Amino acid sequence: DVKVTQSSRYLVKRTGEKVFLECVQDMDHENMFWYRQDPGLGLRLIYFSYDVKMKEKGDIPEGYSVSREKKERFSLILESASTNQTSMYLCASLGQGRGLNQPQHFGDGTRLSIL
Amino acid sequence: AQSVTQLGSHVSVSEGALVLLRCNYSSSVPPYLFWYVQYPNQGLQLLLKYTSAATLVKGINGFEAEFKKSETSFHLTKPSAHMSDAAEYFCAVSDPGSFGNEKLTFGTGTRLTIIP
Repeated sequence: DVKVTQSSRYLVKRTGEKVFLECVQDMDHENMFWYRQDPGLGLRLIYFSYDVKMKEKGDIPEGYSVSREKKERFSLILESASTNQTSMYLCASLGQGRGLNQPQHFGDGTRLSIL
Repeated sequence: AQSVTQLGSHVSVSEGALVLLRCNYSSSVPPYLFWYVQYPNQGLQLLLKYTSAATLVKGINGFEAEFKKSETSFHLTKPSAHMSDAAEYFCAVSDPGSFGNEKLTFGTGTRLTIIP
C-alpha cells in the first residue's frame, strides 16, 4: 500500500515567517502534488512535480514555492507566511505513465494556522 | 479545461436511507472520473474510479457510481446509509498533463450528515 506521510498534522506560525511543509512517499512515484483545501472551495492545486528537481505551477502558486531534491520528498515553502495562507494542505503522489485512470494517493494533511 | 460541479455542499440523510451525491463534469475528451472520501482530520481516500470499462462502477463501503455520458454526470449512490458514512465527498476529473502526469480537478465537495 502506498504511504504518503506529511511531517506535521498541525502547525502554528506567525505572519512573515518562512514555513516548510514536508511530504514523503514510499512508492518511488515520479509525480507529487501539493493542494490546499478550504471550505466551499474544494482542493486547489498549488504546485506539482513530475521528477526530481522538476516542478510546475498549479492553479494557485502565488506566495508558495516547492523543492524536490529527492524522489521521495516534496517540500512546500511559504516564503513569507500571511494570514490568508491559513488552510489545510494536502500532499499526494502518483506513479508515472500508468494511465489517466490511476488514483492519486494522499497524505493525512497539515492544518496550518498563520497568526 | 476540465471542471467538476457538485450540487449541494451539504446533504443530510437518515440512517438506512438512500444516499445520492451529485457530480457533473465538463470535458472535451473522454473523462476519467473519481470519487474520494475524507473523514474528519484525515486525507482523501479513493472510493471508486471510472475507467471506461463499465458505466456502473462499484467502490468500497457499498458505494457505487454511474457514468452517464449524455448527462455528463457521475453521481454517487449507496442504497442504505450508515452512521460511518458521515464524511466529506469529492468528485474529481483527471486532466492530461504535458508530461504524462495526471492532474486532478476537484469539485467543491459535499458534506454528508447521517441522521440517527
